[in-house]
Amino acid sequence: SYVLTQPPSVSVAPGQTARVTCWGDIIETTSVHWYQQRPGQAPVLVVYSDSDRPSGIPERVSGSKSGNTATLAISRVEAGDEADYYCQVWDDNSDLGVFGTGTKVTVL
Amino acid sequence: QVQLQESGPGLVKPSETLSLTCTISGGSIDSGGYYWSWIRQRPGKGLEWIGYIYYSGITFYNPSVKSRVTLSADTSKNQFSLKLTSVTAADTAVYYCARVEDGAPSYYFDQWGLGTLVTVSS
Repeated sequence: SYVLTQPPSVSVAPGQTARVTCWGDIIETTSVHWYQQRPGQAPVLVVYSDSDRPSGIPERVSGSKSGNTATLAISRVEAGDEADYYCQVWDDNSDLGVFGTGTKVTVL
Repeated sequence: QVQLQESGPGLVKPSETLSLTCTISGGSIDSGGYYWSWIRQRPGKGLEWIGYIYYSGITFYNPSVKSRVTLSADTSKNQFSLKLTSVTAADTAVYYCARVEDGAPSYYFDQWGLGTLVTVSS
């Protein structure tokens, strides 16, 4: 099955910018979506269609894409941003939902 | 705001059938434009998409569980359900139901339930 690769962990100091990458062959030809999952909680959509934010998600959360790599950036990081982050695409050929391997963001 | 709530047994014996229901509130399963999905997360692991259903009964499943899974929808109760047969310890996970936004060609999950832990053990 299709795989989206993320770094296992990212560490960032408060106030700095955290960047989480997601790599996959299919990314260049489809849209990427991102979810935040705080410990013990359900995932929450934070970016959809590469760079759009759902209502209620702060502007300091942004998404971008270049070639086969998508990036989630969280600027002015706060303690509350500490969570697991997952990218997701839809494999149109197989009609299959695919999640990335997940990245744990730690705020130092 | 649509809300989703999973319900079902928290403990299932090996080889038996796992059955979960997702109840939708604040919206209608047959309002159109949305699919409805199940996603699971094994302990300490990542997210795995199981399948989706449209209110009309159209379904599609992850090949990894396709031979064992059935999704169904009950529009009168505003619910959809998951059945997973012949479970093993590998099916122990938190199961989430979620709404699928049709951002064709790329769908995404815009609303999630809180999740329910199902343990497979004798």
